[in-house]
Amino acid sequence: DSGVTQTPKHLITATGQRVTLRCSPRSGDLSVYWYQQSLDQGLQFLIQYYNGEERAKGNILERFSAQQFPDLHSELNLSSLELGDSALYFCASSAGFGANVLTFGAGSRLTVL
Amino acid sequence: GQQVMQIPQYQHVQEGEDFTTYCNSSTTLSNIQWYKQRPGGHPVFLIQLVKSGEVKKQKRLTFQFGEAKKNSSLHITATQTTDVGTYFCAEPRGKLIFGQGTELSVKP
Repeated sequence: DSGVTQTPKHLITATGQRVTLRCSPRSGDLSVYWYQQSLDQGLQFLIQYYNGEERAKGNILERFSAQQFPDLHSELNLSSLELGDSALYFCASSAGFGANVLTFGAGSRLTVL
Repeated sequence: GQQVMQIPQYQHVQEGEDFTTYCNSSTTLSNIQWYKQRPGGHPVFLIQLVKSGEVKKQKRLTFQFGEAKKNSSLHITATQTTDVGTYFCAEPRGKLIFGQGTELSVKP
């Protein structure tokens, strides 16, 4: 158990739908990062939040959005889902807002049919 | 897109053989990190290299940071089946940017 909690572990939905992935960072960590890992793909950085504020943005689609709440948990919202959005979505946390060492959660596997 | 290039993409070895993966960046790095992702698992931090020419060892794993701080390597001596997984280097650019990873398979 890394201390980073992600729910749900698995999610199957249809094209056009909207889903929300949830992440609770490790205790004491203020930064949350979201990464997407597709089949045979590396880890694509999506977005980072630090203490409730957006800090960095990567290749995140406009159909995707995220936020970090006062209790530091984060949610990644994926809307108008397409087949190509099927992937493993990882949340990671770190203590600071720079490129510190990341602790990853177990991931949420999204399948869009 | 990715800032750090990692090769090879795949490596199949016989148990007991050595394995090396390389990362190259177009720019000088402040530091580089290495992670391992077991099949079906999540990335787990292995090590961070900061100094030019730095060499660090973890049992059979040897990590090197180039003199110019533009490249790094991970070498595993006498691979075991427990070494199976994908090894990623990661470059800090405000956020952490990961290489494409090298998937290691070990035949017993």
